Amino acid sequence: EVQLVESGGGLVQPGGSLRLSCTASGFTLGSYSMNWVRQAPGKGLEWISYISSSSTSAHYADSVKGRFSISRDNGKLSLFLQMISLRVEDTAVYYCARGSFGGIKGFDVWGQGTLVSVSS
Amino acid sequence: DIVMTQSPDSLAVSLGERATINCKSSQSVLYSSNNKNYLAWYQQKPGQPPKLLIYWASTRESGVPDRFSGNGSGTDFTLAINSLQAEDVAVYFCQQYYDISAYSFGGGTRVEIK
Repeated sequence: EVQLVESGGGLVQPGGSLRLSCTASGFTLGSYSMNWVRQAPGKGLEWISYISSSSTSAHYADSVKGRFSISRDNGKLSLFLQMISLRVEDTAVYYCARGSFGGIKGFDVWGQGTLVSVSS
Repeated sequence: DIVMTQSPDSLAVSLGERATINCKSSQSVLYSSNNKNYLAWYQQKPGQPPKLLIYWASTRESGVPDRFSGNGSGTDFTLAINSLQAEDVAVYFCQQYYDISAYSFGGGTRVEIK
């Protein structure tokens, strides 16, 4: 079964750091680009970061540029999101999502999400 | 960056009737080399992650019922749900995946039963 499972969320104070992980199973992670998408409570979806299949390129939304860093370890079937200088407005469920093969479909596989709460 | 605007924010439709959701992009998402619109639709039910319904503006993902249909090109798109079923109650999002450096989603449309 094709699956993505996020972990690493939790409660952190403003200015703090957190590292999210996403573990893939049921497919060859190294064949796909990957993304992080977040959803604030009761709000819509916000794409925040992309990484190519071989890590040669990465992109970020303006809202997280300079504070978040995406990376991956294809051998360990894992995607990561390092978050620093966290703000209250970063509170959200964070999803990892697979970019479809060849980029033809958008995001065709999603994890269940991990909740990040930024509060003092 | 490409801005995606959905309308309406919410709509209530009777069971068996048709629901139509609109999505407009601030610039064309039509890729000229293959004549494909890089526009997807997702369904999100409460407590669940989004699910891909339609890609290339009108191609249904495998397993998606044929009462869901997508249409449009360039900057204007629609998602139609024919003969609305109770299990279709959800929030629907459009997404452009044309700009690989800045993907973006519409604000979402909540579909409820009247």
